[in-house]
Amino acid sequence: GENVEQHPSTLSVQEGDSAVIKCTYSDSASNYFPWYKQELGKGPQLIIDIRSNVGEKKDQRIAVTLNKTAKHFSLHITETQPEDSAVYFCAASSMEYGNKLVFGAGTILRVKS
Amino acid sequence: DSGVTQTPKHLITATGQRVTLRCSPRSGDLSVYWYQQSLDQGLQFLIQYYNGEERAKGNILERFSAQQFPDLHSELNLSSLELGDSALYFCASSAAGGADDEQYFGPGTRLTVT
Repeated sequence: GENVEQHPSTLSVQEGDSAVIKCTYSDSASNYFPWYKQELGKGPQLIIDIRSNVGEKKDQRIAVTLNKTAKHFSLHITETQPEDSAVYFCAASSMEYGNKLVFGAGTILRVKS
Repeated sequence: DSGVTQTPKHLITATGQRVTLRCSPRSGDLSVYWYQQSLDQGLQFLIQYYNGEERAKGNILERFSAQQFPDLHSELNLSSLELGDSALYFCASSAAGGADDEQYFGPGTRLTVT
C-alpha cells in the first residue's frame, strides 16, 4: 500500500523566516496531495493541495511543489508568523487505495517571535 | 470552521462498553470519512461512505462499525472498548468522494477508555 514519509518531525524558525516541510510517497499511482494544519484541540484544516497534473501551486504565503518523477512534494511557508505554529500533515491519495488519504507523521512547526 | 460537526466533543467510558460517535457533513457533501488519530499510529483512515453506501475501508477493527443515514449524517459505533481505543476520532466530508476531492475535517471526538 501507499506509504508517506514526512520530514522534519520538528522545525523551529524565527518569525519572518521561511519554513520547508518535505514528504515522499511510495506509489506512483497517487495523484492528489493535500496539506493540513492542525492546531491544539482542533481538527486538521486543509491549507493547500496539489494534483498530479500541476508542478507548483501558491496561495499567498504558502506554496506546494510536486515532483512526480522523484515522488516527493514539499510545503513552503514564507514570512512565517507566530500563528503559523501548529502541526502540519502531508497526505497522498489514489483511486487505487479506495480514495483514502494516507498521512505523513506530521511536523511540529514553532515560529519564534 | 469547516462546516463539519461532530458530537460529542469528549467521551469517557470504561473498557468493554459501547459508544456511538456522530458526524454531520458540510452542506451539500455526499461523502463522509472516519479517521482515528493516536500518538503511536498517527492519522489513520477507517472507513468512507458515499450517499449511504460504504465506498472504502481502511484499518477498521471488527469491533467498529459505521453507517451513513439518508440525511447523510454518519455514526461510528465502537464496541467492546479497550484501553488502546483511546484516541481522537475525526470525521471528514467531501463533495463527491473522489480520490482528489478536498476533504474537510470536523473538530473531532476525544475518546478516553478507562
